[in-house]
Amino acid sequence: ETGVTQSPTHLIKTRGQQVTLRCSSQSGHNTVSWYQQALGQGPQFIFQYYREEENGRGNFPPRFSGLQFPNYSSELNVNALELDDSALYLCASTLSGGGTDTQYFGPGTRLTVL
Amino acid sequence: GESVGLHLPTLSVQEGDNSIINCAYSNSASDYFIWYKQESGKGPQFIIDIRSNMDKRQGQRVTVLLNKTVKHLSLQIAATQPGDSAVYFCAERRVDSWGKLQFGAGTQVVVTP
Repeated sequence: ETGVTQSPTHLIKTRGQQVTLRCSSQSGHNTVSWYQQALGQGPQFIFQYYREEENGRGNFPPRFSGLQFPNYSSELNVNALELDDSALYLCASTLSGGGTDTQYFGPGTRLTVL
Repeated sequence: GESVGLHLPTLSVQEGDNSIINCAYSNSASDYFIWYKQESGKGPQFIIDIRSNMDKRQGQRVTVLLNKTVKHLSLQIAATQPGDSAVYFCAERRVDSWGKLQFGAGTQVVVTP
């Protein structure tokens, strides 16, 4: 087990709705990254948060946003859901500046947009 | 465009044999590489990593080889077991993109008895 948890495990939404996904990082990890994984593909980087600030973003529109909290838990928010947003959403935590770069993934949230 | 890719989408291996999974990358600025294993319905599980200043690293039953000359990465699994059946991803981190991992499409490993 990685110590990274995500909720909910599954979620069904309709097009146009908004969704919030949650992640609890491994204890002591100060950096969290979010990835989108479409079926049959590798994860795609959405963005990364370090000390509650976004410090890197992939090729995703502004309707994908996030928050990181002082306890290192985090949220991914997606507005105006589209059918193509259906995917597995993964968060990964790491300890930046701790001498390692390993990102540990949670089990993911399966989002289905109808 | 620059990408991390895998040569074989599916690899069938007999139990007890060694497995070799290959990965090509195109960005010489990448300084860190990771192999992940993903079982159905689960998140990627860290297997082993290697930095660009190394060419080989060994773990428990796994070895990663890095050939920077031809931009090639491989994962060797010794004495493959049924529990090794999964999708394997290589990922790279570029030195100018702190924290961002770029994944390949994955290789499905099927272990047969």
